[in-house]
Parts: sequence; structure tokens; C-alpha cells
Amino acid sequence: EPEVTQTPSHQVTQMGQEVILRCVPISNHLYFYWYRQILGQKVEFLVSFYNNEISEKSEIFDDQFSVERPDGSNFTLKIRSTKLEDSAMYFCASSGNSQSSTYGYTFGSGTRLTVV
Amino acid sequence: KQEVTQIPAALSVPEGENLVLNCSFTDSAIYNLQWFRQDPGKGLTSLLLIQSSQREQTSGRLNASLDKSSGRSTLYIAASQPGDSATYLCAVMNTGFQKLVFGTGTRLLVSP
Repeated sequence: EPEVTQTPSHQVTQMGQEVILRCVPISNHLYFYWYRQILGQKVEFLVSFYNNEISEKSEIFDDQFSVERPDGSNFTLKIRSTKLEDSAMYFCASSGNSQSSTYGYTFGSGTRLTVV
Repeated sequence: KQEVTQIPAALSVPEGENLVLNCSFTDSAIYNLQWFRQDPGKGLTSLLLIQSSQREQTSGRLNASLDKSSGRSTLYIAASQPGDSATYLCAVMNTGFQKLVFGTGTRLLVSP
């Protein structure tokens, strides 16, 4: 069964450093997403990406965050200057194998980001 | 603003019991509702997806129902097993949006 792959599984970084989280979505999916889950809290939407541009973003997704699809397979989330409160599990997801369908999300196994 | 609530927050049952997990949402203008399973420290595994036009979906021992007008969904697990122990998350996608809004989850423990 097709999978969404995320790397690394765990990243530790110093406050103020830039991090890039990487994802390989399912190959025929058209919609790509990042979500995060702070320990003990709900899974929260960050951003969705379609047709090479951001289609929706939350209030969390401020100027410190950016996303990119640098080639035909990877989808990345960059945090420019990490803060302690960015520590969370970050999930990548993809959905929609047609322009009229966004249903049927598949999530990756997540990257645990720890900011020290 | 869509709010999703799940009750109970935690549930502990002996093996073999049938059980029901509940999910409620405040805005009935949904496109679909999805149930996920999350194991500790792991990703989200999709269990069932119900489109807004559907009333229920079944997969093996799992059955999910949707009552859009009352803003409710239930996940029914038949003949529970210790391997069902996990956190179960309900998430809705509103019409016109692509994001999922998640509930806080129900933590299930099935003891042998």
C-alpha cells in the first residue's frame, strides 16, 4: 500500500536554528499538508499546498514557516528560527488523486522536533 | 469555527467487549468525516472515511456512522482485542476547505 514517508523521525535543534522537515507524499496525490501535535494536545492544521502554491494556512503558520515542493517528489516544511514552543510532532499528509477530490488523507509517521 | 469533541476521553474495557466511541462537531456543513488510530509516539492510520452523503461505513470489526444534521458520529468496535489499544481520533473536513479539524481523541485500553 502506498505510504507517505517523513525524514528524519526525530530532530533535535537549538533555539534560533533553521530546520527543514522532509516528506515524500504518495506519488499520484495532488494535495499536500503539514500538521503538528504538541505533546498531549490536539493535532493542528498548519498548511495545505496544491498546484505549487499554498491553498490554505492557519494562524500558526506565520512568517517563520515556509513550504516547498522542490521537485516532483519531495515536500518540505522549513522553520526559519526555531522557538521552544515549536517542539512538537510534525505530520505530513497527502490526499486527492483528482482535482475534484480531496478526501482520503494518508499521513506519514511524523517527525518529532525537539527545540532546546 | 468548527469544534470537534470526543467522549469519553479514556476508556478501559476487557477483551471481547463491544464498544462505542463518540464524536460531535459544531458545524454541520461538513464534506467528510474520518476516523484515525494513533499509537503512542506514532503517526495517524486512517480507519474509515464517511462522505457527507453517507450514513455509515464498515471495515472488518469497525463501523462508523454519521448523523450530519445532529453533528454526531460514532465508531463502533466489535469484539475488542488488546491490539485495539490506541488513541482514536475523529476529524472533519468542512465543505469548501481542505484542512481537517481534529478532536482530542479517545484513549482506549483493552485488557486481556
